[in-house]
Amino acid sequence: DAGITQSPRHKVTETGTPVTLRCHQTENHRYMYWYRQDPGHGLRLIHYSYGVKDTDKGEVSDGYSVSRSKTEDFLLTLESATSSQTSVYFCAIETEKYEQYFGPGTRLTVT
Amino acid sequence: GENVEQHPSTLSVQEGDSAVIKCTYSDSASNYFPWYKQELGKRPQLIIDIRSNVGEKKDQRIAVTLNKTAKHFSLHITETQPEDSAVYFCAANTNAGKSTFGDGTTLTVKP
Repeated sequence: DAGITQSPRHKVTETGTPVTLRCHQTENHRYMYWYRQDPGHGLRLIHYSYGVKDTDKGEVSDGYSVSRSKTEDFLLTLESATSSQTSVYFCAIETEKYEQYFGPGTRLTVT
Repeated sequence: GENVEQHPSTLSVQEGDSAVIKCTYSDSASNYFPWYKQELGKRPQLIIDIRSNVGEKKDQRIAVTLNKTAKHFSLHITETQPEDSAVYFCAANTNAGKSTFGDGTTLTVKP
């Protein structure tokens, strides 16, 4: 599983509260990604990082921010969670050959 | 940006039959085309990929073909087995390291 972990694995939170999801890798890959997965929409890119403190937006970045202060950690923050952000969130790393390997996912429910 | 369309959205076959899933992409700069398999409640897993300098690639019962002129690529699974039942995603990547995913195909293999 390419040494990728995500925490928490499940979270229930209330509308308006801040939430931070963590992705951790053990293999020093430069590129890391955050996706959300919703029924009928496949995997949609939220943000990605190409190095420490280097990040860029994906197609569904509104309402999300990210940070990468260390190579191994990529954090996704929902500043003020909304019900539309209820989803399964996957982190991924990308190898130098462009192969992506995913973490186990975080199921987030915003009530 | 890149747009990836995947068909069909659902596919049901008898065990032992072949299954074909097709994807089209829009960005001629895309040069890496992976396929992922996602079992229920699990993470997507890379099963095969093809790069733009290759027309076909095989790995046991699965194969992928690429037609760069027509901007489409396909996944072929032969001699299907019940354990092939899953959601399959195609993706198209540019050198920038961003992946755009199709919306997925739910494959059901009936014993």
